[in-house]
Amino acid sequence: QKEVEQDPGPLSVPEGAIVSLNCTYSNSAFQYFMWYRQYSRKGPELLMYTYSSGNKEDGRFTAQVDKSSKYISLFIRDSQPSDSATYLCAMSGLPGAQKLVFGQGTRLTINP
Amino acid sequence: EAGVVQSPRYKIIEKKQPVAFWCNPISGHNTLYWYLQNLGQGPELLIRYENEEAVDDSQLPKDRFSAERLKGVDSTLKIQPAELGDSAVYLCASSLASQGDTQYFGPGTRLTVL
Repeated sequence: QKEVEQDPGPLSVPEGAIVSLNCTYSNSAFQYFMWYRQYSRKGPELLMYTYSSGNKEDGRFTAQVDKSSKYISLFIRDSQPSDSATYLCAMSGLPGAQKLVFGQGTRLTINP
Repeated sequence: EAGVVQSPRYKIIEKKQPVAFWCNPISGHNTLYWYLQNLGQGPELLIRYENEEAVDDSQLPKDRFSAERLKGVDSTLKIQPAELGDSAVYLCASSLASQGDTQYFGPGTRLTVL
């Protein structure tokens, strides 16, 4: 079993829809949780960063962490075609820790 | 500010041939990472450098892979000889030493081994 599991999709939704992306993990030492966005033929770029349990909002994006369930989510409101990309969750166990464990990514398409 | 630069962007070689990838990190970032990303998968760490020292190379297949970071800036990842299963995207990332959970990735080198 992988340390981090992510539904690979693909996920296709109409423009304006609310999108929910999720990851589960098995290592209870993980405390720092990240979402990266990766456009085709590009490297991943950091989208959201959260520590421990709770919510964090940034514009149309909300990251949620539930450590008791070992479950994290990324919500995208009012989705746009430009949000079409692969979304990768990543996590680490220590502050400033260099070892990130990534999920396999969910490929998302927003249809105009 | 320039991001992480990688070259070449694409490389096609025949199996058993050698290949090398180059990375120039963001200025001031003393931590450099090489990742392997297979199709439909997340990145997996191959090696991490703190300045010129390789501090985590536990996932690097040392029989055929090697890396160096002379002078603690640019880095080169080499495969010799390449195998069919090495076809993947090789990503370089960099970060400040104290902010390893905020990594900046380059565009990657897409390797195809025929």
